[in-house]
Amino acid sequence: GESVGLHLPTLSVQEGDNSIINCAYSNSASDYFIWYKQESGKGPQFIIDIRSNMDKRQGQRVTVLLNKTVKHLSLQIAATQPGDSAVYFCAENMGGGSNYKLTFGKGTLLTVNP
Amino acid sequence: NAGVTQTPKFRILKIGQSMTLQCTQDMNHNYMYWYRQDPGMGLKLIYYSVGAGITDKGEVPNGYNVSRSTTEDFPLRLELAAPSQTSVYFCASTPGSDVSPLHFGNGTRLTVT
Repeated sequence: GESVGLHLPTLSVQEGDNSIINCAYSNSASDYFIWYKQESGKGPQFIIDIRSNMDKRQGQRVTVLLNKTVKHLSLQIAATQPGDSAVYFCAENMGGGSNYKLTFGKGTLLTVNP
Repeated sequence: NAGVTQTPKFRILKIGQSMTLQCTQDMNHNYMYWYRQDPGMGLKLIYYSVGAGITDKGEVPNGYNVSRSTTEDFPLRLELAAPSQTSVYFCASTPGSDVSPLHFGNGTRLTVT
C-alpha cells in the first residue's frame, strides 16, 4: 500500500471558511514534505513545503503542520476562495541524500461553494 | 523561462505501437522525473534522472524506457503500448542541489486502444 495517504478524499467548504486537508505518512525517515495543488487539465503546482526539523510553516493564506509523533501532515487554507477548488496532494521524500524522489498520496478534492 | 514543456498534449495509440513523450526544461535543473497519474489517483514515479547520462527506475518502470543525453531533455519511450499505459504523464524537474519542490509540466494525456 501507499505510505502517503489522505483521511478524506473530498472536502466541501463555504467560501470564506477555513479548510483543513489531512495526510498520513508511514515512513519515519522521510525528511521533506510538500503540498501540491492540481487544477483540472494542469500539472501539480507547488503550494508549500516543510522539512522534518520543523513543526509548522506559514505561507500566504496557507499553513502546513507536521506532527512527527503520529506521522501526520495537514494543510490549512484560510478564508477559502472559489479559486482554491482543486485536488490537493501531499508528497514525501523517502529517498536519502542525493536519492531525492517524491512519493504522492491519492489526493483530496476541495470544493468551495460560493 | 518556459519551465517544463511536454509534448504532445494528447495522443491516441493502438496496442503495440510505440511513441516517445518529450520533456524539456530551460531552468538548468539536474534532476528530472517522469510520473504517471491514473484517474482519481496520485502520481506514481516511472523513472528519474539526477543528471545527464544517469537514469534510474522508479516505482512503475515496466514498459517504459528513458534516456538523458542532455541536461535539458528527458524523453520517455513506450515501445509496445498496452491499454494499461493509458494515463496522464507528467514530467518534472528540480535543481537537485538540495531538496526543493518539483516543477511540473502540464502533462501528456495518452490513450491506448
